[in-house]
Amino acid sequence: AQSVTQLGSHVSVSEGALVLLRCNYSSSVPPYLFWYVQYPNQGLQLLLKYTSAATLVKGINGFEAEFKKSETSFHLTKPSAHMSDAAEYFCAVSLYSSASKIIFGSGTRLSIRP
Amino acid sequence: DAGVTQSPTHLIKTRGQQVTLRCSPKSGHDTVSWYQQALGQGPQFIFQYYEEEERQRGNFPDRFSGHQFPNYSSELNVNALWLGDSALYLCASSLDPTLGTEAFFGQGTRLTVV
Repeated sequence: AQSVTQLGSHVSVSEGALVLLRCNYSSSVPPYLFWYVQYPNQGLQLLLKYTSAATLVKGINGFEAEFKKSETSFHLTKPSAHMSDAAEYFCAVSLYSSASKIIFGSGTRLSIRP
Repeated sequence: DAGVTQSPTHLIKTRGQQVTLRCSPKSGHDTVSWYQQALGQGPQFIFQYYEEEERQRGNFPDRFSGHQFPNYSSELNVNALWLGDSALYLCASSLDPTLGTEAFFGQGTRLTVV
């Protein structure tokens, strides 16, 4: 069975500060891991994905995530937060790709302080 | 390319009624997945359609049913609506998941049951 746990339902950082959103996964097989972003009243946009190639994955909008098998983690980071980063972020896992059944975490709401 | 389009965008129904939500996949995509996102939670997989047949199903009751048409568009039907069915319903389209392709999400249909 696969699952993801996002630590912290709400994270608040100052503009220009480091963003760190935490995600731990559980999977009986090598997983495909994803981070999605959701702006208010909108659908989901793929930020980045891990597919067993490089463990450090770079995504859109300056975000990146590192796959750590020993820690079963896939934390999302961005060196310098921007006001436009305020949104809901979801960590997710699947067997093949985002086209197969995706198991989502409960989400982390990111707020940016001016 | 119009991307994934869902209709309607918002809907209000009364308990016990039936509802039909519609999804047009991204051009060239033949697989449609449906997700339910309750307020403050991550999306949950309902089912996936490929070649007009239900390929995978999540943990949802039989009140939730679907259909895929020859043009790959899809409908989600929910019978005997409960208050708890109030949620954002997301449609995602892709090519065959076993090909390792990615899914694209629509903007969703916000269903409110009163």
